Amino acid sequence: GAGVSQSPSNKVTEKGKDVELRCDPISGHTALYWYRQRLGQGLEFLIYFQGNSAPDKSGLPSDRFSAERTGESVSTLTIQRTQQEDSAVYLCASSPRAGTSTPYGYTFGSGTRLTVV
Amino acid sequence: GENVEQHPSTLSVQEGDSAVIKCTYSDSASNYFPWYKQELGKRPQLIIDIRSNVGEKKDQRIAVTLNKTAKHFSLHITETQPEDSAVYFCAASKDSWGKLQFGAGTQVVVTP
Repeated sequence: GAGVSQSPSNKVTEKGKDVELRCDPISGHTALYWYRQRLGQGLEFLIYFQGNSAPDKSGLPSDRFSAERTGESVSTLTIQRTQQEDSAVYLCASSPRAGTSTPYGYTFGSGTRLTVV
Repeated sequence: GENVEQHPSTLSVQEGDSAVIKCTYSDSASNYFPWYKQELGKRPQLIIDIRSNVGEKKDQRIAVTLNKTAKHFSLHITETQPEDSAVYFCAASKDSWGKLQFGAGTQVVVTP
């Protein structure tokens, strides 16, 4: 697609429920990242996928958080047993294949605003 | 791991003046330093980046400088305009396609 697409754009869920957030990267981008941004705060790294390599999960805050990606396509971030502190905007980004001549850097999606009530 | 610190957290400038945001990083292996602009309620967007083999890069009214010895880099915006008002994030990584560590952000307000 033309850009990074995230869905849903907004999600309100009750505490304790599970949620699934989706990211569709730019076609041909091998790398995909998830970040969390709490209100008025910076960008907190969660997880990084690069092609078929094992993902870098070092930023996941707890075992309630998990993410999957099949090949170089869609990724889903799952939060189990949501807590109020999970309320944030979850941003996905993708970047092109290493060593290509295309412009570098992340392209971010518009994010999913998650509110846990 | 990499740690990026960004200052100031807020910056208010008069329209037409210059704005400077400074970042320091901890990992000497980092060699890619992008800057992102995030307008209220919108996604972050890349505005300029620099690699470690370059000391300075300019694009119209924005410029970035890098001092690898001191491990710091800066964003300079000249002739500021109201549309420059946003949050600016610096970041660092070991390569341009890898994991970015972001600074905490600088809220820039340009007053007419």
